[in-house]
Amino acid sequence: QVLLVESGGGVVQPGRSLRLSCAASGSTFSTYGMHWVRQAPGKGLEWVAVISCDGNNKYYRDSVKGRFTISRDNSKNTLHLQMNSLRAEDTAVYYCSKDHKCSDAGVIDYWGQGTLVTVSP
Amino acid sequence: EIVMTQSPATLSVSPGERATLSCRASQSISSNLAWYQQKPGQSPRLLIYGASTRATGIPARFSGSGSGTEFTLTISSLQSEDFAVYSCQQYNNWPLTFGGGTKVEFK
Repeated sequence: QVLLVESGGGVVQPGRSLRLSCAASGSTFSTYGMHWVRQAPGKGLEWVAVISCDGNNKYYRDSVKGRFTISRDNSKNTLHLQMNSLRAEDTAVYYCSKDHKCSDAGVIDYWGQGTLVTVSP
Repeated sequence: EIVMTQSPATLSVSPGERATLSCRASQSISSNLAWYQQKPGQSPRLLIYGASTRATGIPARFSGSGSGTEFTLTISSLQSEDFAVYSCQQYNNWPLTFGGGTKVEFK
């Protein structure tokens, strides 16, 4: 069983930055890819970014490219999402989630409980 | 990006009845499709991947089928705990994309 616990959400003004973190436990963190998926209030799921198990491969959705950076520290079993130049449309619950493979997969088999990011003046 | 379209948006079903949910991809995704269940206030849960393979611990009443662009999730006999929102997701191409969801509600 994998446990994923997000932190770092909150209220931030447009244009400012926020860093989300996710602590993983219960499995060998360095053997699987990790994703961030978000869900705006009352809306569907929207994939944000993925990082491979070794951190060498990263992909982002177009709307966050150049603003968000996904990273991981396998020595600390943690995942991060650095979010810069935040916009109102980035307001959502952000889920840290685990892929069932190391890389180039996309099946998400474990999800954290989510952390809410609100971008508002 | 591949657009995933789910239908219907809402499905009203009585306990014990069969529920059939549809998902269509804007281009072929082979069998690279997953289904998730999400209850209010909870995180999503993986039900099906590879279009038809049940995830660990998922009851046999959940089944998936399809390939290419047309997919179906079937719940053979709805239980009270199955009332939720179901989303499909393709993983054939980046970016990963989800359908808008089908809400299965009590009739």
